[in-house]
Amino acid sequence: DVKVTQSSRYLVKRTGEKVFLECVQDMDHENMFWYRQDPGLGLRLIYFSYDVKMKEKGDIPEGYSVSREKKERFSLILESASTNQTSMYLCASSPNAAANYGYTFGSGTRLTVV
Amino acid sequence: DAKTTQPTSMDCAEGRAANLPCNHSTISGNEYVYWYRQIHSQGPQYIIHGLKNNETNEMASLIITEDRKSSTLILPHATLRDTAVYYCIVRAYSNDYKLSFGAGTTVTVRA
Repeated sequence: DVKVTQSSRYLVKRTGEKVFLECVQDMDHENMFWYRQDPGLGLRLIYFSYDVKMKEKGDIPEGYSVSREKKERFSLILESASTNQTSMYLCASSPNAAANYGYTFGSGTRLTVV
Repeated sequence: DAKTTQPTSMDCAEGRAANLPCNHSTISGNEYVYWYRQIHSQGPQYIIHGLKNNETNEMASLIITEDRKSSTLILPHATLRDTAVYYCIVRAYSNDYKLSFGAGTTVTVRA
């Protein structure tokens, strides 16, 4: 089975800190994604990457950046954490963008910014 | 992407089949129907998808009506571990990478 592993399940950070969320997948998938999930707002796409060193903005990229130096690893960076970035962050991967492949999600990182 | 409509919640008895409906009346010809579920405090899990034909895998069956305007996810023998929020999504093959999850159906399996 494909595994998408997120480095932390729970994280508490202070306002203004630089925060790194790490995601690793083990099935050589081309595409990787970062979403955040908030009550009443569903899943919102922050960034995605379709190849090493390639990235595209999603719906809500402001305040975030990403890095994909290796195919298996996709990092989400909060440049200066703010309280409105308190959320559940979900990483996902898929072989390609074709509709006949499902996405595999990680277990999520619940980030609290205080 | 077309939108979907699902009931807010439903209960199911353990060991019985759970039938989860989804309406997608504006679905386009190239859009697939996907089902995911999300168990509390975990990431969404892919269940099954289909275009026109009924599909079955080790987790569930997907029945799509002939006009493709609705579908039903069937969990043949629900267990307590199937308690989750179930999302029905329609999505076309395209460069649109976004997965749009609605509110889904909260399924509670009772002993």
